[in-house]
Amino acid sequence: AQTVTQSQPEMSVQEAETVTLSCTYDTSESDYYLFWYKQPPSRQMILVIRQEAYKQQNATENRFSVNFQKAAKSFSLKISDSQLGDAAMYFCAYEAGNQFYFGTGTSLTVIP
Amino acid sequence: NAGVTQTPKFQVLKTGQSMTLQCAQDMNHEYMSWYRQDPGMGLRLIHYSVGAGITDQGEVPNGYNVSRSTTEDFPLRLLSAAPSQTSVYFCASSYSYRYEQYFGPGTRLTVT
Repeated sequence: AQTVTQSQPEMSVQEAETVTLSCTYDTSESDYYLFWYKQPPSRQMILVIRQEAYKQQNATENRFSVNFQKAAKSFSLKISDSQLGDAAMYFCAYEAGNQFYFGTGTSLTVIP
Repeated sequence: NAGVTQTPKFQVLKTGQSMTLQCAQDMNHEYMSWYRQDPGMGLRLIHYSVGAGITDQGEVPNGYNVSRSTTEDFPLRLLSAAPSQTSVYFCASSYSYRYEQYFGPGTRLTVT
């Protein structure tokens, strides 16, 4: 079975600082995709960033970037210049064969 | 462009009752899916569809049925509600399963 592990249930960061959220996954597939989704208190799920496993280059979207280590099966999310609006639950997700698997989430608090 | 809509937003059922959660999208997406979100467990895939007339099981399909007669609609049926089905249910759609999923606002279901 595929599994996605987020080992940090809660994290906090000072406004304008940088924080890294961890994610590891277990798979025997070679072709797959990885995602980070954000869920603010409104409950709406929003895509933050997407990574294709066959691409070695780490994905970047403005203040959000990933550190993708395929051999280690690690996919961490770095948020730079944290803003109050970044406070949310963050989920790491893995896709292979039409199916998605989500981690249990990391709750991020941004301290003014 | 309404995106992904779900009805109802809240529902309370008694054990043994049946009901249908509605999901519709107006983006002409082929891939649609249903998830349940439980505290401490992230999102788990219930059923998914890669196009009209094609559905398949996800990680936790027991107790749920789906059908996809049109591209737009993907209803989820609870056959005989059980307290273990108390959860928040999300519907999502995407152009393809490897692209960004757009989530609906969720349905909070309580089974007593």
